[in-house]
Amino acid sequence: AQKVTQAQTEISVVEKEDVTLDCVYETRDTTYYLFWYKQPPSGELVFLIRRNSFDEQNEISGRYSWNFQKSTSSFNFTITASQVVDSAVYFCALIDPYNNNDMRFGAGTRLTVKP
Amino acid sequence: DSGVTQTPKHLITATGQRVTLRCSPRSGDLSVYWYQQSLDQGLQFLIQYYNGEERAKGNILERFSAQQFPDLHSELNLSSLELGDSALYFCASSVSGEGSYEQYFGPGTRLTVT
Repeated sequence: AQKVTQAQTEISVVEKEDVTLDCVYETRDTTYYLFWYKQPPSGELVFLIRRNSFDEQNEISGRYSWNFQKSTSSFNFTITASQVVDSAVYFCALIDPYNNNDMRFGAGTRLTVKP
Repeated sequence: DSGVTQTPKHLITATGQRVTLRCSPRSGDLSVYWYQQSLDQGLQFLIQYYNGEERAKGNILERFSAQQFPDLHSELNLSSLELGDSALYFCASSVSGEGSYEQYFGPGTRLTVT
């Protein structure tokens, strides 16, 4: 069965610190897709990144970077030089296309960046 | 702004009642997904429609139903409401019916059942 675990419930950092949000997933299939979404205090879910299981290249987008390691079933997200506007709940999610297109979300990590 | 719209933003109703939540996908997107976000269950996939047809079903209760219309907007109907149905309901859309494509979420409808 599919499962996504975000063990860090809450993280608090001071502005300009780097922070890594962990995501560990479980699936029996070789083809799957991983996602990160941001949910700021306003409530909407904002798409950040999609990664397919065949592409293990790390990705960097500005201050954001993602580290995908199939060997450890992890898809971690790092924010460099964090800012107050990064404060949000971050969700990691998994879709197994052979399992009903059911997007499974982790429980989320609440990040608070203090000035 | 994701381009996905949902109405209403807030809804307060009583137990036993029925409500309808509405979603308009991004222009060009054929798939619509519905999710429920509650404190105890987290974010849960309910149902997916693709080009008017039901494509996938998740943890959707029998009291809940959805449809997608020819203009691609979708409605989620919740009936015989219970206190536990209070949650944030999200609609998302994607260009394809395949799960590999990213989903863009609307702002959500916050349902409070009293």
